[in-house]
Amino acid sequence: KNEVEQSPQNLTAQEGEFITINCSYSVGISALHWLQQHPGGGIVSLFMLSSGKKKHGRLIATINIQEKHSSLHITASHPRDSAVYICAVTENTGNQFYFGTGTSLTVIP
Amino acid sequence: DGGITQSPKYLFRKEGQNVTLSCEQNLNHDAMYWYRQDPGQGLRLIYYSQIVNDFQKGDIAEGYSVSREKKESFPLTVTSAQKNPTAFYLCASSPRGSPHTGELFFGEGSRLTVL
Repeated sequence: KNEVEQSPQNLTAQEGEFITINCSYSVGISALHWLQQHPGGGIVSLFMLSSGKKKHGRLIATINIQEKHSSLHITASHPRDSAVYICAVTENTGNQFYFGTGTSLTVIP
Repeated sequence: DGGITQSPKYLFRKEGQNVTLSCEQNLNHDAMYWYRQDPGQGLRLIYYSQIVNDFQKGDIAEGYSVSREKKESFPLTVTSAQKNPTAFYLCASSPRGSPHTGELFFGEGSRLTVL
């Protein structure tokens, strides 16, 4: 059983579309992370959040602690947004990060 | 610029050989991690280190070894005992002393292929 589940696994969108990627988790957490993995393999941290909502440019991350669910939204998607998006959580004991398997996003011009 | 540098980016190894992957960070972070990434799976923790000269096994430490002689450096050796070493390896760091907390910063990864 995976502690972090993401959906969808794969997503193809037309440029300009609004995109939502979902993440559910089963453990108590102190923080949730959204990561972006580029085709070359490097990973960058997009957001770390423990409550509410954060926005950075066209990206918005929300979290509902009671429902153990987070969403990553991309507004006005662009081909350069094509990447794998990974949800990760910090377990509240501080003993572990848990990672989802990622959502592969392709944005077509 | 501050960041994490992994080398080499691609590495080929014959069966039975040990290989060492380098990870250097100039972020002054205390905690460093090595993860393995396989297709269709989440990142899995190999080893982590909280401070110099101390490190802890992760979920899949068998067949791997690490050292932390300097704060900036956390090399990973993939030994011949690792049964299935072909994978993508990611080094990461986080600023706090307590491991597995704080924002994660990743290197560009090293892809190891065993021939």
